[in-house]
Amino acid sequence: GAGVSQSPRYKVAKRGQDVALRCDPISGHVSLFWYQQALGQGPEFLTYFQNEAQLDKSGLPSDRFFAERPEGSVSTLKIQRTQQEDSAVYLCASSLAPGYSNQPQHFGDGTRLSIL
Amino acid sequence: DAKTTQPPSMDCAEGRAANLPCNHSTISGNEYVYWYRQIHSQGPQYIIHGLKNNETNEMASLIITEDRKSSTLILPHATLRDTAVYYCIVRAALFNKFYFGSGTKLNVKP
Repeated sequence: GAGVSQSPRYKVAKRGQDVALRCDPISGHVSLFWYQQALGQGPEFLTYFQNEAQLDKSGLPSDRFFAERPEGSVSTLKIQRTQQEDSAVYLCASSLAPGYSNQPQHFGDGTRLSIL
Repeated sequence: DAKTTQPPSMDCAEGRAANLPCNHSTISGNEYVYWYRQIHSQGPQYIIHGLKNNETNEMASLIITEDRKSSTLILPHATLRDTAVYYCIVRAALFNKFYFGSGTKLNVKP
């Protein structure tokens, strides 16, 4: 497809379980971003990749959150030992140019994570 | 990045122009203004961005004041499908992340 694809669309997990969320960026896009969006709030930045390099992970809320992009295309956001406060929509975005350009980011529709 | 201020909600009649304001009084010279919108259960959709000149594309127009302390997004002929939360974001080109804020909920009414 032409846009950013995220899977699964919905994920339900029990507290304490590990989850993995996948992002397929637009083909050829250098930059990839993850955001977390709580109910009724705007998205909040988690982490940024330029190709396979994770250049900014300042928004990751704890060491239970881990992201990777080993071949510079598909990215996975992993959350270990999930807590109820991790319930949110996780959005992925990609951009053609490196993050320091003024190019816009293009978003997927997100994964809605619910922790029981 | 400069902070933005937007009204929490606005109403607009279908077929009329929707003018969404954004205040960014602390914007600095290298910071761009971006507009996104988010329709329920979808990811944010890019609309338009600019530095200091007014911009227009197939979706909307962006009017930036001469002092760059505020801007207005104009949807020329609003439709019911334009009902969404609209986010105004100010970002320096040297920084990679967006700060979204709470946005403006635009309600387009028939």
